[in-house]
Amino acid sequence: KQEVTQIPAALSVPEGENLVLNCSFTDSAIYNLQWFRQDPGKGLTSLLLIQSSQREQTSGRLNASLDKSSGRSTLYIAASQPGDSATYLCAVRPFILTGGGNKLTFGTGTQLKVEL
Amino acid sequence: NAGVTQTPKFQVLKTGQSMTLQCAQDMNHEYMSWYRQDPGMGLRLIHYSVGAGITDQGEVPNGYNVSRSTTEDFPLRLLSAAPSQTSVYFCASSRTRWVTDTQYFGPGTRLTVL
Repeated sequence: KQEVTQIPAALSVPEGENLVLNCSFTDSAIYNLQWFRQDPGKGLTSLLLIQSSQREQTSGRLNASLDKSSGRSTLYIAASQPGDSATYLCAVRPFILTGGGNKLTFGTGTQLKVEL
Repeated sequence: NAGVTQTPKFQVLKTGQSMTLQCAQDMNHEYMSWYRQDPGMGLRLIHYSVGAGITDQGEVPNGYNVSRSTTEDFPLRLLSAAPSQTSVYFCASSRTRWVTDTQYFGPGTRLTVL
């Protein structure tokens, strides 16, 4: 059974700092990995999706890397801002060859606070 | 497009009561699913549907029923609520059932069972 772990569970940094969030998964047979952002009382917003054949994806100040063989992904946030404060979730999709459904296995999340 | 909508936003139930959490999407998405989010456990899949008339169980289906009579709607029913069902429930949809498609999430329903 796939298990996804995110460390640390919570992180507090001063504004302007570069930071890295970690995600690890136990089964390397994944199709892709996705990073989400969750704001309090809101749904999940997709940030980046990395296919299993890719090593990294970038969007603005965000960079996500994937090392499938070691079961790890990192989300790098450059020059953090107070508006980046949220919970960040990673999720993996299994490598399914049949139409069994677009299932996600989520990590427990990292709660980020960026302070002025 | 309104995207994925969920009602109600908050709900308090007593043990043994029944209720239906509503989920709708206006994107003509084939695939819809329900997750619950509990502290320290991440989101877990309850039920999913790969199209109208087709549903299947996810990781934690006990205590929940679903049906998919239309493409747009995917309600989640609690027949006899229990305190263990206190959670935040999210509905999600994607264009197809295939793992290549991005999922879109609703804002969630916060349910408390006393």
